Amino acid sequence: EADIYQTPRYLVIGTGKKITLECSQTMGHDKMYWYQQDPGMELHLIHYSYGVNSTEKGDLSSESTVSRIRTEHFPLTLESARPSHTSQYLCASSHGGDPSYNEQFFGPGTRLTVL
Amino acid sequence: AQSVSQHNHHVILSEAASLELGCNYSYGGTVNLFWYVQYPGQHLQLLLKYFSGDPLVKGIKGFEAEFIKSKFSFNLRKPSVQWSDTAEYFCAVKTGANNLFFGTGTRLTVIP
Repeated sequence: EADIYQTPRYLVIGTGKKITLECSQTMGHDKMYWYQQDPGMELHLIHYSYGVNSTEKGDLSSESTVSRIRTEHFPLTLESARPSHTSQYLCASSHGGDPSYNEQFFGPGTRLTVL
Repeated sequence: AQSVSQHNHHVILSEAASLELGCNYSYGGTVNLFWYVQYPGQHLQLLLKYFSGDPLVKGIKGFEAEFIKSKFSFNLRKPSVQWSDTAEYFCAVKTGANNLFFGTGTRLTVIP
């Protein structure tokens, strides 16, 4: 079944650790996105990609980095986690082409806590 | 900068009551408008969207939304809510770029 997956769903980690949040989609979508959401706040776009080897920073500045080596995979990495990185991270994907089909499909999210 | 405002943070209704959730955006150009819903423990999913044409948009599960350009609004409505509508509702706006700007969300609790 076509879907978008994120692992882990929950992560509690100590300050200074390197972490990678995984996101995969099986819908063949060209475009992928990472959002950050703090409790009671808006979703903010932190990274996006229009295809393989394309990555761009979003509207909210983030110390994380992303890569897009394969169409279906868009991992997000924090080299050295800090308590200020505690948040929920949502991955999404969408079709390319006609904007009327550009609705974004979301994964279940990763809730990250940095101690 | 673009922004999306959802003024109701938490709405509590009894079953069969009518629902209207407000959404206003600040952007003067062409916009595409969306309502997403997140049921407890589930992914964000699309409820309905407006791209062009009829400003009254019908979505899934009996929801509808009306785009009023002069008011920069895209309010979500449902004539009679059910307990299963308990969820968080997010309004989102897409401008010329491909990025979505989200509101802070409205939590709806429907009491049986």
